[in-house]
Amino acid sequence: NAGVTQTPKFRILKIGQSMTLQCTQDMNHNYMYWYRQDPGMGLKLIYYSVGAGITDKGEVPNGYNVSRSTTEDFPLRLELAAPSQTSVYFCASSDKRGGRDTQYFGPGTRLTVL
Amino acid sequence: AQSVTQLDSQVPVFEEAPVELRCNYSSSVSVYLFWYVQYPNQGLQLLLKYLSGSTLVKGINGFEAEFNKSQTSFHLRKPSVHISDTAEYFCAVILWNSGNTPLVFGKGTRLSVIA
Repeated sequence: NAGVTQTPKFRILKIGQSMTLQCTQDMNHNYMYWYRQDPGMGLKLIYYSVGAGITDKGEVPNGYNVSRSTTEDFPLRLELAAPSQTSVYFCASSDKRGGRDTQYFGPGTRLTVL
Repeated sequence: AQSVTQLDSQVPVFEEAPVELRCNYSSSVSVYLFWYVQYPNQGLQLLLKYLSGSTLVKGINGFEAEFNKSQTSFHLRKPSVHISDTAEYFCAVILWNSGNTPLVFGKGTRLSVIA
């Protein structure tokens, strides 16, 4: 199993540009998550999904959109990039049966908005 | 809502010395507790977790944590650290009957092991 994969690894955007961060998991997990990580701030949940076709907002959803058309894929869309979106983005998935929620993380995407 | 406090943002420690990373949570109901580790330029990986049973939980790389319900704590310990333990450590909590609610993470503790 490849686990959770993310592309791209690095990206530089100009203010106002848009892009999609890709996330794929091959563990047949129903639950998937997008986090951003800023220095000293820990992880903040952007969006999550409990299954194909179902998404919900996390703590910091503004400026982002998600979709979940398949179990495997959970792309994160930035429509109008802003410098405040400079961060490292992590995708994760979990098998939440019994509420035990061990999350498996991808390697991250480092995004810089200039 | 539950929350997690990691009391130390940075912990420097000499190689082969013991270390304790502190984690406290707030919840009035039963919880599941986790410690994750993030090595430089990598994603997070599970170190250990407490679901039920024995309050002393052993994880990978010689780490262990003790669940203390009365203190609402889940401190992480290792008796002798190595240079390779240098990383950021995150405590996380979820209510045992939380339904779809995701994990709540603390802000992390950066462990620096000094040779």
